[in-house]
Amino acid sequence: NAGVTQTPKFQVLKTGQSMTLQCAQDMNHNSMYWYRQDPGMGLRLIYYSASEGTTDKGEVPNGYNVSRLNKREFSLRLESAAPSQTSVYFCASRAPASYEQYFGPGTRLTVT
Amino acid sequence: GDSVTQMEGPVTLSEEAFLTINCTYTATGYPSLFWYVQYPGEGLQLLLKATKADDKGSNKGFEATYRKETTSFHLEKGSVQVSDSAVYFCALSERGVQGAQKLVFGQGTRLTINP
Repeated sequence: NAGVTQTPKFQVLKTGQSMTLQCAQDMNHNSMYWYRQDPGMGLRLIYYSASEGTTDKGEVPNGYNVSRLNKREFSLRLESAAPSQTSVYFCASRAPASYEQYFGPGTRLTVT
Repeated sequence: GDSVTQMEGPVTLSEEAFLTINCTYTATGYPSLFWYVQYPGEGLQLLLKATKADDKGSNKGFEATYRKETTSFHLEKGSVQVSDSAVYFCALSERGVQGAQKLVFGQGTRLTINP
């Protein structure tokens, strides 16, 4: 039982490049989330998926797209990376009727 | 929209000192409240929660009480250890689409405990 896994752990992109951050959970959770963590700002929700086949915007969705590929996987795509997207990205999942979100270890992304 | 405000950090204490990290919130309705902890190089973990007014959440010697009248959820521990060094986040839950829980986080407080 690996919990929530994220790949890659680190990534450096040039402005304008694209990439996809991968997230998978093996806990059979319905809800999945993508957050970004910036110094002094806590975590902010980018997108979430209440269940397989649905996705919705969070607080800071601009510049991102997501795909809920199946119940296990929820990917985050940057189509044209910008320096403002330099951040640490966390994926999380939650079981139905549970208060706790389980977080992955994070992806540290630098855009130059 | 809903928001959470935490005391500014960083906070540095000596081992066995008393800890308080302040947290206040603004919300419509009555959200559930949480403290999450992030150890170096890791993701966040739930430390404790409270789901209604006057509830006290507790775990690992940490406590926080849901105070509706002051819209606060301050984190306390009577005697901190070096292993408590981490970043602490206060959060509240909003209801999203299809009943999904959306968390709104404070900015985080970095705690360092010196031996």
